[in-house]
Amino acid sequence: KQEVTQIPAALSVPEGENLVLNCSFTDSAIYNLQWFRQDPGKGLTSLLLIQSSQREQTSGRLNASLDKSSGRSTLYIAASQPGDSATYLCAVGWMNTDKLIFGTGTRLQVFP
Amino acid sequence: DTGVSQDPRHKITKRGQNVTFRCDPISEHNRLYWYRQTLGQGPEFLTYFQNEAQLEKSRLLSDRFSAERPKGSFSTLEIQRTEQGDSAMYLCASSLAGLYGYTFGSGTRLTVV
Repeated sequence: KQEVTQIPAALSVPEGENLVLNCSFTDSAIYNLQWFRQDPGKGLTSLLLIQSSQREQTSGRLNASLDKSSGRSTLYIAASQPGDSATYLCAVGWMNTDKLIFGTGTRLQVFP
Repeated sequence: DTGVSQDPRHKITKRGQNVTFRCDPISEHNRLYWYRQTLGQGPEFLTYFQNEAQLEKSRLLSDRFSAERPKGSFSTLEIQRTEQGDSAMYLCASSLAGLYGYTFGSGTRLTVV
């Protein structure tokens, strides 16, 4: 069964700290992996997309890495800010399916 | 292009009533997806279309649920005889054959009372 797991479920850090969110997935035959941000009661905002042939993607203070062989991806947030407070979702698309499967997310709180 | 649009943003309905949601995808995207999200959970796949063809349906999609995408443009998701367990956020996404990732709309929050 294809599953996505995110650890930790929740994280609270002081402003300015660098942090890492983890995503693990079963079955390494992925097509791509996408990280999203979700604010309370809102839709999903795409942060980074990593194709299966790539090892990492960067956007501003965000860096996402992909290790297919170990079934893991990490989202690194540098110099966190209170505005980064949100739920971060990892979603995986596998080769044999045309849909994304999501983890349950990491709820991040950055306090001043 | 303003992205994926969903309407309404919020819907409160009485148990047993029918509701219909609409999704307008990004115009050049040929794939359209419906997901459902309950509190504290990640979105769960319901169904998807490639152009006007509905290619996959989750077993979460009971016979009270029906989705259409006439002419391969906008899509509607109808829930008949709503139940309290249907209360959730219904999210729509579109993509260009899975390339370049998925773009999600803002969702429709359904509350069944």
